[in-house]
Amino acid sequence: DAKTTQPTSMDCAEGRAANLPCNHSTISGNEYVYWYRQIHSQGPQYIIHGLKNNETNEMASLIITEDRKSSTLILPHATLRDTAVYYCIVRVTQGGSEKLVFGKGMKLTVNP
Amino acid sequence: EPEVTQTPSHQVTQMGQEVILRCVPISNHLYFYWYRQILGQKVEFLVSFYNNEISEKSEIFDDQFSVERPDGSNFTLKIRSTKLEDSAMYFCASSLDRDYEQYFGPGTRLTVT
Repeated sequence: DAKTTQPTSMDCAEGRAANLPCNHSTISGNEYVYWYRQIHSQGPQYIIHGLKNNETNEMASLIITEDRKSSTLILPHATLRDTAVYYCIVRVTQGGSEKLVFGKGMKLTVNP
Repeated sequence: EPEVTQTPSHQVTQMGQEVILRCVPISNHLYFYWYRQILGQKVEFLVSFYNNEISEKSEIFDDQFSVERPDGSNFTLKIRSTKLEDSAMYFCASSLDRDYEQYFGPGTRLTVT
């Protein structure tokens, strides 16, 4: 699976949009971009995933660049409860490994 | 909303003892996983399980570890003879099928003394 690069940390004001970047310049055509987060020491929480089109669900939006070498997770109105470590993971589906490979992630702190 | 549950939330055991960590995956999910996270470190994959057999395992998952689905709802991780370095958070996860997103439980904190 391709490697991802994320900033170590980011701050965001409560109520504002949080834009979390991720670089995956070696991504292959059959690799999806997944986002998970981990609040304190809880289990990782699935947020969203996509292949090449932008995706939106009740939690967030995922914007993938046209060349697929980077993506941005958008939390439209960040709350204090969104403070967590966010993981951008690239994963092959349809025949690839079943495991998720977690990096160090990016610590998002939402400030009041 | 269905969720993965794990018991116990915290387990303390002495070195050399056997421990069994329990998980109840989401009911219609077919793939089950164990991950662990040593304090301050990354989440690491241990094993995946499908159709009553191990589908994939990592180098961490040696002969001291085993998994089982003893009935239609539980999924267990057994560590035969615990070592100090087994102290970690252990997370169970499940997915609807192989290529679907994985949903994680709240974890079991294992402390080996």
